[in-house]
Amino acid sequence: DAGITQSPRHKVTETGTPVTLRCHQTENHRYMYWYRQDPGHGLRLIHYSYGVKDTDKGEVSDGYSVSRSKTEDFLLTLESATSSQTSVYFCAIRGRHEQFFGPGTRLTVL
Amino acid sequence: AQKVTQAQTEISVVEKEDVTLDCVYETRDTTYYLFWYKQPPSGELVFLIRRNSFDEQNEISGRYSWNFQKSTSSFNFTITASQVVDSAVYFCALSAVPVANFGNEKLTFGTGTRLTIIP
Repeated sequence: DAGITQSPRHKVTETGTPVTLRCHQTENHRYMYWYRQDPGHGLRLIHYSYGVKDTDKGEVSDGYSVSRSKTEDFLLTLESATSSQTSVYFCAIRGRHEQFFGPGTRLTVL
Repeated sequence: AQKVTQAQTEISVVEKEDVTLDCVYETRDTTYYLFWYKQPPSGELVFLIRRNSFDEQNEISGRYSWNFQKSTSSFNFTITASQVVDSAVYFCALSAVPVANFGNEKLTFGTGTRLTIIP
């Protein structure tokens, strides 16, 4: 157990509303990632962080922003949610040799 | 650009049969990592293996084995004597070995293979 949690686990929201997903880790890992999982696409990297206040874009970053003000928390924000952002979102941390994933957040944008 | 192809979208086998999941990758990097993850019906992602590009030895872990062949850019996964608990979606993934920010491995995933084991 890598000590990684995500909140909320499920969320339904309406188009145009802002949404923030939280990833929390308890083991002081430096690297954290946000991925989205969609049928036919596998998992795709949205943003990642390599330290407090150090973040960068991944493959599918449009429409998303992130923040990391302390080591244990990595926030993913959808500034104005769209139906195309309906997905399952996974947070990951880089452990000793591999990435460990959180339990996921299922987001539905109506 | 990196790419991982899992051409088998779905596979069904009868319990106790052997099954091989294919993974083909593309990368310009000379050093890279390859991974397999399992996603059971409960939805979590479970790490199975990481392999360095300079280590082409096959690996066996219980009923699981992995065949890494650089010449064909493949990293195939075989389950021997399959069991119902093996039913899951399996993902192959690739990351470059970062020069800066060592440890910052951004994974490129394949689209996954859904494996169903029929009792």
